[in-house]
Amino acid sequence: GAVVSQHPSRVICKSGTSVKIECRSLDFQATTMFWYRQFPKKSLMLMATSNEGSKATYEQGVEKDKFLINHASLTLSTLTVTSAHPEDSSFYICSASQDSEAFFGQGTRLTVV
Amino acid sequence: EDKVVQSPLSLVVHEGDTVTLNCSYEVTNFRSLLWYKQEKKAPTFLFMLTSSGIEKKSGRLSSILDKKELSSILNITATQTGDSAIYLCAVEEGAQKLVFGQGTRLTINP
Repeated sequence: GAVVSQHPSRVICKSGTSVKIECRSLDFQATTMFWYRQFPKKSLMLMATSNEGSKATYEQGVEKDKFLINHASLTLSTLTVTSAHPEDSSFYICSASQDSEAFFGQGTRLTVV
Repeated sequence: EDKVVQSPLSLVVHEGDTVTLNCSYEVTNFRSLLWYKQEKKAPTFLFMLTSSGIEKKSGRLSSILDKKELSSILNITATQTGDSAIYLCAVEEGAQKLVFGQGTRLTINP
């Protein structure tokens, strides 16, 4: 199956700093990628849809100025958590679809201290 | 609002038992229903269901979709400790957008 690579897998940052998470489709082109967030012991929640060459579509309640998404090429989407706070600590995961099957990145565990 | 509800939220059984996990959904633009297994990090794909009444099988796991009842079940027979995981149900709504249920945390005791 297709491979989606997410980096970094784990990051610890100080409160107030920004963190960038990358999501790459390694062997296929993805015009659309998705970013999810998972709170401890909870399910995945869709944050936004990342569209290549255009603005991301954010789900209700997700701050677009805080979670910046850039989809500059057909194989790369980035999520930047700006001015991170401890409540942003979470597991972030991206996905891209090929032939109607969603492939997930490995996820990024973000801890803001 | 699109909604996917799984039950039970948590299940503990003994090795060898058979379990049935449930998923019901309310979405405006249903395309498919998917089951995933999540152990540590990223979910791994189990099944994609698009047609009602057709059972999909993979080893000890099987799943079926009922579009009339807006629901799906995931069966695991002869459970093993390695089946312990969170099982996620997701519905593809519109263009590849997945709406996830809360997940069922399955624990298999030896």
